[in-house]
Amino acid sequence: RKEVEQDPGPFNVPEGATVAFNCTYSNSASQSFFWYRQDCRKEPKLLMSVYSSGNEDGRFTAQLNRASQYISLLIRDSKLSDSATYLCVVNMGDSGGGADGLTFGKGTHLIIQP
Amino acid sequence: GAGVSQSPSNKVTEKGKDVELRCDPISGHTALYWYRQSLGQGLEFLIYFQGNSAPDKSGLPSDRFSAERTGGSVSTLTIQRTQQEDSAVYLCASSFSGGGGADTQYFGPGTRLTVL
Repeated sequence: RKEVEQDPGPFNVPEGATVAFNCTYSNSASQSFFWYRQDCRKEPKLLMSVYSSGNEDGRFTAQLNRASQYISLLIRDSKLSDSATYLCVVNMGDSGGGADGLTFGKGTHLIIQP
Repeated sequence: GAGVSQSPSNKVTEKGKDVELRCDPISGHTALYWYRQSLGQGLEFLIYFQGNSAPDKSGLPSDRFSAERTGGSVSTLTIQRTQQEDSAVYLCASSFSGGGGADTQYFGPGTRLTVL
């Protein structure tokens, strides 16, 4: 079973719509969670951390469901500029892989259409 | 302030040659990570440096890959006897302290390696 799984998409969404996607993780001891955004042929950049109580940043809402071991990202009023690949990152702690326990998902490709 | 920088931005080499990729992390960041990303794929962890501790090399795919970090700052990733399957974008990231992944990783623009 893969440690961090994401639907690769692409998700084709009309501008202005709301879109949400999930990321599942295998290690119940995982400690911290993040969403990164990667534009085509660019480096990943942190979009937001995911807190246990859920958090919101403008049009973006991230939530954590420990019982079902997934995190989610919801984007409201989507813009053309939201088109990108969204990477889920999970810290598996000492029982995880290298990179200080950080494991990246392969990303969900989002395309916002005019 | 300056972000993470990497050089070269692009490298084309012939199969069997050695290559060196350089990463300059953000000043003051003690944690440094190397990843590679093949076309359309996710990030594959390669190696992690934290301060003066021994690096975590668990992600290096073969003994042709090695990395060092001098003076706790600049890092060099070396690939010996390159193979075509080594073609990828090599990304470097740094964070303030590592600390169990709680700190944000800042990525450099990457080096696009093409092995002919």
